[in-house]
Amino acid sequence: EAGVVQSPRYKIIEKKQPVAFWCNPISGHNTLYWYLQNLGQGPELLIRYENEEAVDDSQLPKDRFSAERLKGVDSTLKIQPAELGDSAVYLCASSRQGETGELFFGEGSRLTVL
Amino acid sequence: AQSVTQPDIHITVSEGASLELRCNYSYGATPYLFWYVQSPGQGLQLLLKYFSGDTLVQGIKGFEAEFKRSQSSFNLRKPSVHWSDAAEYFCAVGASSNYQLIWGAGTKLIIKP
Repeated sequence: EAGVVQSPRYKIIEKKQPVAFWCNPISGHNTLYWYLQNLGQGPELLIRYENEEAVDDSQLPKDRFSAERLKGVDSTLKIQPAELGDSAVYLCASSRQGETGELFFGEGSRLTVL
Repeated sequence: AQSVTQPDIHITVSEGASLELRCNYSYGATPYLFWYVQSPGQGLQLLLKYFSGDTLVQGIKGFEAEFKRSQSSFNLRKPSVHWSDAAEYFCAVGASSNYQLIWGAGTKLIIKP
């Protein structure tokens, strides 16, 4: 089966510019996660979807970050405007509903904000 | 407070030698425990998991881990490492009642030829 697909792999932008990341989860996986990973740290959850519903977005900085999963399949994470501190790797993961912790990750999107 | 501690930021091991990566956790509920591996340029991959039952669990790529409740530990082991095992390893803890995983900061494994 195809894995979790993310794009772009790398993005360099200037501060105050917008950026968007796209994720296509594994077919049949109802649960989709966006994580942020800083260098030398473990992933930090930004948002979790069950189908098209955002069921946990408590860690998402809503003043500049937004996400959507309109048809319950692929998802987009947007930052507008980007700040220097947003430089990180943005990870997308998916799982089957009910399978706590058994996540399948994409390769990540590395963002550099100049 | 809930937390996961991986005391070693880096570990260097000779190829063919045995490996043990440490993981200690603090968690209020009965924990579900996980080890993930992140190879350079690749996504995180689940190595093994512990939910209940036998405290010694086997995973992929020849890895195993042992849950020790009295020590709040879930250490990862491999009897003989290969150069391809060079990667970053993350321990994580969660509960059956929610999807929020608590992640350690990772241990980077370096293999000496």
